[in-house]
Amino acid sequence: KAGVTQTPRYLIKTRGQQVTLSCSPISGHRSVSWYQQTPGQGLQFLFEYFSETQRNKGNFPGRFSGRQFSNSRSEMNVSTLELGDSALYLCASSLEPGGHYEQYFGPGTRLTVT
Amino acid sequence: AQSVSQHNHHVILSEAASLELGCNYSYGGTVNLFWYVQYPGQHLQLLLKYFSGDPLVKGIKGFEAEFIKSKFSFNLRKPSVQWSDTAEYFCAVILSGAGSYQLTFGKGTKLSVIP
Repeated sequence: KAGVTQTPRYLIKTRGQQVTLSCSPISGHRSVSWYQQTPGQGLQFLFEYFSETQRNKGNFPGRFSGRQFSNSRSEMNVSTLELGDSALYLCASSLEPGGHYEQYFGPGTRLTVT
Repeated sequence: AQSVSQHNHHVILSEAASLELGCNYSYGGTVNLFWYVQYPGQHLQLLLKYFSGDPLVKGIKGFEAEFIKSKFSFNLRKPSVQWSDTAEYFCAVILSGAGSYQLTFGKGTKLSVIP
């Protein structure tokens, strides 16, 4: 079974631009979560989607948004990029939402903002 | 809000040494606990998890962890480390029974094993 895939793997953007990252979950998984990983803050939860609905959102500004499609694929968007948005963005999928289902992580998208 | 603390930022051990990585969480309710590992250049992957039952849980690659509820701790252990255990280790917690699935991670502990 193919794992979680994320595209693109690397991205360089300029301050003020916007960016869209994509995540394809493991086949059959319906829940997708997004995390930001930086050396200073570690792994921080961005949001979680299930059945095309955002179920939970972390403590990030409104410039960070996401959506989920009917095939469970998910995208996240960051508008008006800032230097501090440079990070590894990880997507994780699980069969269902809830604490008893293991989350499987993708390789991440490395975003560099210049 | 729940939080997870990992006491050691970087641990350096020689091969065959024993390992214990500390993890404490702050939340008074029922939690599910996890240890994830990130090998250099690889995905985060689950080492082990605790939901309920025996507080001593065994994971992959010889790792185990003990849940001590009274101490709000979930320390990771391995009796004898190998060079291939060099990686970053993350402790994480989720509220059990909550309506959503939000993992809260510790800042991670980098383990370097010297051959």
